[in-house]
Amino acid sequence: SQQGEEDPQALSIQEGENATMNCSYKTSINNLQWYRQNSGRGLVHLILIRSNEREKHSGRLRVTLDTSKKSSSLLITASRAADTASYFCATVLYSNYQLIWGAGTKLIIKP
Amino acid sequence: DTEVTQTPKHLVMGMTNKKSLKCEQHMGHRAMYWYKQKAKKPPELMFVYSYEKLSINESVPSRFSPECPNSSLLNLHLHALQPEDSALYLCASSQDQNGYTFGSGTRLTVV
Repeated sequence: SQQGEEDPQALSIQEGENATMNCSYKTSINNLQWYRQNSGRGLVHLILIRSNEREKHSGRLRVTLDTSKKSSSLLITASRAADTASYFCATVLYSNYQLIWGAGTKLIIKP
Repeated sequence: DTEVTQTPKHLVMGMTNKKSLKCEQHMGHRAMYWYKQKAKKPPELMFVYSYEKLSINESVPSRFSPECPNSSLLNLHLHALQPEDSALYLCASSQDQNGYTFGSGTRLTVV
């Protein structure tokens, strides 16, 4: 099931630039997770932010969460060609273990 | 072992065939999932097994039949599929709400 929206749907930037993707959701959540998917293969877990956290970093990734606006953003700094992929946000509710997915952002890094 | 292994990677089957997709994890995760993903869309949840018991069936047609022989294995039996069932089928596992590990998927084509 799909809970919210991601924007932009597609993003094309030059290598070295920063990429920002946004995710909105509809209901109260336990946590929000970001995943990367290369060329229609498996999804790779990137980072998780809990509902009581506002910002989290992991390497070149920075995630923010605004529970009042029910939104999150993923920032990839100093982008590389290898970052080209689709990025999905997914929320987890308190009541169950299901992942509720955003629509995804297709990111293209131009060399 | 921190992987979810799916076989086969690719499968072409006729509408009268019977085939099975296999998924294996050795991380001791208590929950295992089947997802279906169409191109440029987020994954759609099909089935959830928790402690080897089917806990969620998202109104999936009976031509898809899941099986969990033990805590490490998850199968998806396919019979009398339609061309619109062609998709990427993803298996995932999790121990709790904080981390989901996905396999690389099986690219299924129904002819």
